[in-house]
Amino acid sequence: GNSVTQMEGPVTLSEEAFLTINCTYTATGYPSLFWYVQYPGEGLQLLLKATKADDKGSNKGFEATYRKETTSFHLEKGSVQVSDSAVYFCASQFGNEKLTFGTGTRLTIIP
Amino acid sequence: DAGITQSPRHKVTETGTPVTLRCHQTENHRYMYWYRQDPGHGLRLIHYSYGVKDTDKGEVSDGYSVSRSKTEDFLLTLESATSSQTSVYFCATRLAGPSGNEQFFGPGTRLTVL
Repeated sequence: GNSVTQMEGPVTLSEEAFLTINCTYTATGYPSLFWYVQYPGEGLQLLLKATKADDKGSNKGFEATYRKETTSFHLEKGSVQVSDSAVYFCASQFGNEKLTFGTGTRLTIIP
Repeated sequence: DAGITQSPRHKVTETGTPVTLRCHQTENHRYMYWYRQDPGHGLRLIHYSYGVKDTDKGEVSDGYSVSRSKTEDFLLTLESATSSQTSVYFCATRLAGPSGNEQFFGPGTRLTVL
């Protein structure tokens, strides 16, 4: 079946550091890929997405590129801020099927 | 903001009692989902609906039932609550259409079963 594996946390970085959160997927085909973010006490919200190979999703300084060769969709940001502290979820989806989520990575940014 | 509300936001109940959680949306989205979130598991799908009165099971459906009598409301019922059902429950909605349409999430319900 389909699955998503993402980097385990927690991850703690200093403000303005470079961020990478790894995500890989297994699937028989090419799913759409998503990064969702969950701020404390809230539901998940879409951060960015890519629907086909080599697409790059970007939002709020975050980027992720759909790499079919490595079945990866790693999340990156060049300079993190305290306000980026949250839990980040990678997810995949085929067509109208359900989302398959990774287990989440908790990120804490220290001033 | 897709206009999704969940009620109640917090609930404490006792083992063996039935519990119903409500999800209400104002966006006329066709698909609705119930997830539970637990440490180390991420989000796991309980049940989903692809239209009024059309529902299907997710990966952790045992002990749960759902109903959708109108587009805007999706109810999740724990028939006889157990301590293993202590969790945070999230509702989500999605427009019909091609892959890539995002899901919109509600604020969650924190349920504690004593």
